[in-house]
Amino acid sequence: AQKITQTQPGMFVQEKEAVTLDCTYDTSDPSYGLFWYKQPSSGEMIFLIYQGSYDQQNATEGRYSLNFQKARKSANLVISASQLGDSAMYFCAMRRGSSNTGKLIFGQGTTLQVKP
Amino acid sequence: GAGVSQSPSNKVTEKGKDVELRCDPISGHTALYWYRQSLGQGLEFLIYFQGNSAPDKSGLPSDRFSAERTGGSVSTLTIQRTQQEDSAVYLCASSLRSNEQFFGPGTRLTVL
Repeated sequence: AQKITQTQPGMFVQEKEAVTLDCTYDTSDPSYGLFWYKQPSSGEMIFLIYQGSYDQQNATEGRYSLNFQKARKSANLVISASQLGDSAMYFCAMRRGSSNTGKLIFGQGTTLQVKP
Repeated sequence: GAGVSQSPSNKVTEKGKDVELRCDPISGHTALYWYRQSLGQGLEFLIYFQGNSAPDKSGLPSDRFSAERTGGSVSTLTIQRTQQEDSAVYLCASSLRSNEQFFGPGTRLTVL
């Protein structure tokens, strides 16, 4: 069975510093996708970044990068130069298979608070 | 363009009543998903529609839950004989060919 584990219920970071949010996953499928979503207090789900299991390079999107370590089954999100608007809940998720559609399995989330 | 919309935004019901939650996906999106988020928790997959294929119902927690997607567009999630543990935010998402699932604002269901 697939499983996503986020071990950090809450994190603090100083504004302008970098922060890493941890995510480990468990799957026996050779092909899968890994996602990070942001959920501000407003409740909307905002897609941040995607990494395919066969992608050779770590995904990057602006200030977001995904530190993909396949052998360790980890997919940590790195946010550089934190901003106050980054304060939110962050969810790691996984989708099995190589198709670009399919259900997501989510972790429990990490609450990030950025301090001014 | 218009995003995913859901109605109602809030629903308060009494235990034992049936409720219907509606999702309007982004026009042209062939995939539609329902998730549930309990307070302070991650999202739990409920059901997934892809085009004309049989839906993936593997996440529905009991036979009180059902969903339909009419004409490949609008979807309705129905919960029969609601229980207090059904209280949650119900989120709908849609996608086409990209990896990104576009989420709606959710329906907050409270069962008294």
